[in-house]
Amino acid sequence: GAGVSQSPSNKVTEKGKDVELRCDPISGHTALYWYRQSLGQGLEFLIYFQGNSAPDKSGLPSDRFSAERTGGSVSTLTIQRTQQEDSAVYLCASSLAGGTNQPQHFGDGTRLSIL
Amino acid sequence: GDSVTQMEGPVTLSEEAFLTINCTYTATGYPSLFWYVQYPGEGLQLLLKATKADDKGSNKGFEATYRKETTSFHLEKGSVQVSDSAVYFCAQGAGNNRKLIWGLGTSLAVNP
Repeated sequence: GAGVSQSPSNKVTEKGKDVELRCDPISGHTALYWYRQSLGQGLEFLIYFQGNSAPDKSGLPSDRFSAERTGGSVSTLTIQRTQQEDSAVYLCASSLAGGTNQPQHFGDGTRLSIL
Repeated sequence: GDSVTQMEGPVTLSEEAFLTINCTYTATGYPSLFWYVQYPGEGLQLLLKATKADDKGSNKGFEATYRKETTSFHLEKGSVQVSDSAVYFCAQGAGNNRKLIWGLGTSLAVNP
């Protein structure tokens, strides 16, 4: 079956523009995660969705970042007024249920470059 | 706060050599521990995990044992292959195990 799908795979934009990154999780997976991987750094947790529960937004770095998950499936991560420090690979993962006893399945990521 | 520290790479080995990649963690509780692997051109995938102290995770000839006394989860393989060349990430569960805290990754290159 299909894995986690992310789009676009690459995005180059000018500083100050808004960007939207999309994640389509594995069908039937109720948990969805967004991570960011900056150059030379490890993966950084951003946000977690589990079913219809309120998302855990504790990792979002500023109020320019937001995410939603419509219908418990596709998720969109939005970055407003992008800054150069937002340049990173944004990874989405999904798992069958919440809690890390379930393995997370990762997409290939979106490489975001802010000029 | 909670964190994961793993040995810096790159690590370069000859085929059939013994591999150890060190990983230590700091946590307020007893998190689940994971090793993920990213092969060239592919996405991250779970390699193995351990959910409590003294558990040993194993997969594809790799092993790691959850050591509470040393807060470690070192990855080992007795005889590496060229196909093991990849970046290896150690991670711990956090926030009631709902999210992962990651190490920086260790790049492994195995030469024939």
